[in-house]
Amino acid sequence: AQSVTQPDARVTVSEGASLQLRCKYSYSGTPYLFWYVQYPRQGLQLLLKYYSGDPVVQGVNGFEAEFSKSNSSFHLRKASVHWSDSAVYFCVRGTGANTGKLTFGHGTILRVHP
Amino acid sequence: ETAVFQTPNYHVTQVGNEVSFNCKQTLGHDTMYWYKQDSKKLLKIMFSYNNKQLIVNETVPRRFSPQSSDKAHLNLRIKSVEPEDSAVYLCASSPWGGWDTQYFGPGTRLLVL
Repeated sequence: AQSVTQPDARVTVSEGASLQLRCKYSYSGTPYLFWYVQYPRQGLQLLLKYYSGDPVVQGVNGFEAEFSKSNSSFHLRKASVHWSDSAVYFCVRGTGANTGKLTFGHGTILRVHP
Repeated sequence: ETAVFQTPNYHVTQVGNEVSFNCKQTLGHDTMYWYKQDSKKLLKIMFSYNNKQLIVNETVPRRFSPQSSDKAHLNLRIKSVEPEDSAVYLCASSPWGGWDTQYFGPGTRLLVL
């Protein structure tokens, strides 16, 4: 069963616009959630992570995400995107206690028009 | 420079050949991972090692075998490649095997003809 769903395969926005990338997860408890980004021809980098506490978590480069247990969601947001934000964004859930095993969503390709 | 290094960047081979990919991390981490990223960008974990011990071994074909000489190195060998093995193989490391940040290498792209 798919445990992480990113419903938007591609998102295109203009530079300076706000951004929301959607993520839904399936898990009965409180999951460990991450957003990773993959820039062209580079490895993945962590943007932010959520374990517990404040449902709004701040990440690098102005990104933030909000955890919602009632909606089973962990959407990523940015107030004003830059063309350099063009990349593939992955919503990720930790599965398998203490093994570091990650389950990835299919990713959302973000294209920012300059 | 501290990071996760992978060689080669790109490899083209014929069906039935053996290939080996190298991964080295200079971050001092205890845990290393191999992921497969398919043509649609989906990533799936294959293996993880903590201090040279196998921790995660997903359902992958037997022709795939990880090899760890020390905690800084985790290589991946594919004994007899098949067309469906064409993918990008990503190596990662983390300080320990829990939910710490994982640091990824740039990947090795394999094309099987």
